[in-house]
Amino acid sequence: KNEVEQSPQNLTAQEGEFITINCSYSVGISALHWLQQHPGGGIVSLFMLSSGKKKHGRLIATINIQEKHSSLHITASHPRDSAVYICAVMEYGNKLVFGAGTILRVKS
Amino acid sequence: GAGVSQSPSNKVTEKGKDVELRCDPISGHTALYWYRQSLGQGLEFLIYFQGNSAPDKSGLPSDRFSAERTGGSVSTLTIQRTQQEDSAVYLCASSRFTFSGTSYEQYFGPGTRLTVT
Repeated sequence: KNEVEQSPQNLTAQEGEFITINCSYSVGISALHWLQQHPGGGIVSLFMLSSGKKKHGRLIATINIQEKHSSLHITASHPRDSAVYICAVMEYGNKLVFGAGTILRVKS
Repeated sequence: GAGVSQSPSNKVTEKGKDVELRCDPISGHTALYWYRQSLGQGLEFLIYFQGNSAPDKSGLPSDRFSAERTGGSVSTLTIQRTQQEDSAVYLCASSRFTFSGTSYEQYFGPGTRLTVT
């Protein structure tokens, strides 16, 4: 069993839809990261959180430490949001362990 | 300011040759990480440097892989006697000082795409 599980693996949405990507992990962590990777592009860090909720523009990330679960929400989705979204947890010792990623496609 | 830079952006090499990949972290970032993203695979941790501490090499897949960080800044990842399974995108990231219990955001470089023929 992977230490970090993401769902869904693939997601297709219509422009304007509300999107949720889920991440569950099985180890103790010091923080959780949500990363974005565009096709052929580099990786951008969207959020790093260790408790509660963070919001940046149309993106919202939440984490429940007790349940070892995090969600990434995208409101009013747009085709430019199409990318791979990766959940990564930082174990104590500063090593990132990555989920397999969620491939998001937003159609106009 | 300048982000994390990596060179070369692409490298094609023959099986059995040695390669060196370079990473320039963000100025002032004392933590530096190397990751690998193989085709069809997720990202995996390779090695982590923090200041003058001994690096965490627990992710290196074999003794053909090594890395050093000179002067607490630039890092070089060396792969000796490359194999076809080494083909991947090698990513470098840096962050502010970290210590147990505290994490900081990691900033990723554009990666080096290595192809072993």
